[in-house]
Amino acid sequence: AQRVTQPEKLLSVFKGAPVELKCNYSYSGSPELFWYVQYSRQRLQLLLRHISRESIKGFTADLNKGETSFHLKKPFAQEEDSAMYYCALNSKLTFGKGITLSVRP
Amino acid sequence: GAVVSQHPSWVICKSGTSVKIECRSLDFQATTMFWYRQFPKQSLMLMATSNEGSKATYEQGVEKDKFLINHASLTLSTLTVTSAHPEDSSFYICSAETSGVETQYFGPGTRLLVL
Repeated sequence: AQRVTQPEKLLSVFKGAPVELKCNYSYSGSPELFWYVQYSRQRLQLLLRHISRESIKGFTADLNKGETSFHLKKPFAQEEDSAMYYCALNSKLTFGKGITLSVRP
Repeated sequence: GAVVSQHPSWVICKSGTSVKIECRSLDFQATTMFWYRQFPKQSLMLMATSNEGSKATYEQGVEKDKFLINHASLTLSTLTVTSAHPEDSSFYICSAETSGVETQYFGPGTRLLVL
């Protein structure tokens, strides 16, 4: 069975503060990990995927197989980053419960 | 590019009636479409995966006779909730991907309320 755990429901930070959104997974095979973002009143969209190893909107995420984690990080949060973030596993996406990021001015 | 639409965006129906939700890929051919269900304040749960021209593959616990999925063309998949009951009230989201590109593009979702 595969499972994604996002332990926190809400993270509230001030603009300019660092952000780390936690994601842990459980999967016996070689995982593919994704982060999806849903801005207010918009549809879900892909933010980044681990195999591309790219930085999108200043966000990065590193797959740590030893810790089975794929935490999303950004050094300096912006107000426009406020959204719901979902971690997902594999091509048939198994989603975590999501976390709301709120960036205050 | 890679836009997915859903229709209707919201629907209210009486218990016992059937409701059809359409999912369309507007500018690409969707070889695979996915249907998700999201309860309030909960995550998306995959219901089924459909490939164009073949029967959908349902996830464990999802009744295939209750949730009929048709993927008759490369741009359209439909989800029909048959004999809907209040517990079927939920947010239904589809996504689509094209062959060779393992990225799912999501529709805006359809909110169903069964009275």
